[in-house]
Amino acid sequence: NAGVTQTPKFQVLKTGQSMTLQCAQDMNHEYMSWYRQDPGMGLRLIHYSVGAGITDQGEVPNGYNVSRSTTEDFPLRLLSAAPSQTSVYFCASSPGVVPGNEKLFFGSGTQLSVL
Amino acid sequence: GENVEQHPSTLSVQEGDSAVIKCTYSDSASNYFPWYKQELGKGPQLIIDIRSNVGEKKDQRIAVTLNKTAKHFSLHITETQPEDSAVYFCAARSGYGNKLVFGAGTILRVKS
Repeated sequence: NAGVTQTPKFQVLKTGQSMTLQCAQDMNHEYMSWYRQDPGMGLRLIHYSVGAGITDQGEVPNGYNVSRSTTEDFPLRLLSAAPSQTSVYFCASSPGVVPGNEKLFFGSGTQLSVL
Repeated sequence: GENVEQHPSTLSVQEGDSAVIKCTYSDSASNYFPWYKQELGKGPQLIIDIRSNVGEKKDQRIAVTLNKTAKHFSLHITETQPEDSAVYFCAARSGYGNKLVFGAGTILRVKS
C-alpha cells in the first residue's frame, strides 16, 4: 500500500499559469479532500469529495477546481495561478465520513510557489 | 461557522517533562475532536481523537480531555521524548461529514 500519493512535490508557477496537482490513493477510500497549509493559519479545506462523481466546496474554494471521476484519483486544478495561492497543499483521504471511519490519511504535500 | 483557537504557538520542554496544548472551539454542535502530529517534511498523522460524549481518552503517553461546557479540549503528553518534537494540530468537526476546522498549530520542541 502506497497510501496517498501526491505529485509533484515542488512546483514554481508564474502568475496566470494553470496547473493540476495530482492525488491518488490505493486504500479504496470513499472520502478525499484538499487542504492548504499556510504559516500561522493551520490547514484550511479547499474542496472535498464523498465519492466518485460527487464534489463540494470547503472553506477556501475560490481559484480551484476539482473532479472525482474514479474512487482513486482527486486532482486539484489551479485555473489562473495567483501569488496568494503560494502554499503547501495536502491531499487527504478517509474510509468514509461516519463515526469510526473519519481518520484522515494525508499525502506528503506539494509545495507551490507562484511568482 | 466553526472557529478553533490553539495555544501556545510554540512550546519548549525538557525531555521527560509533560507538555500540554490547549484548543477552544466556537460551535457548540461540534462533536468530534482529533489531534494530528506533523513531522518535518511530512503530512499530518492522527495521534488521538475524542468524541463529544467522552470526557477523556488515553493512549499510552498521550491523553486528550474535553470540556464541552467551556468548549475547550487539551492534548497532554507525558514523559516527553525527542521524537515528540513536531507540529501538533487540533481540529473540530460539527455536523455530518468530515469537514474539519484546524487550529493554527503548536511547534513542540523537546530538549534532551
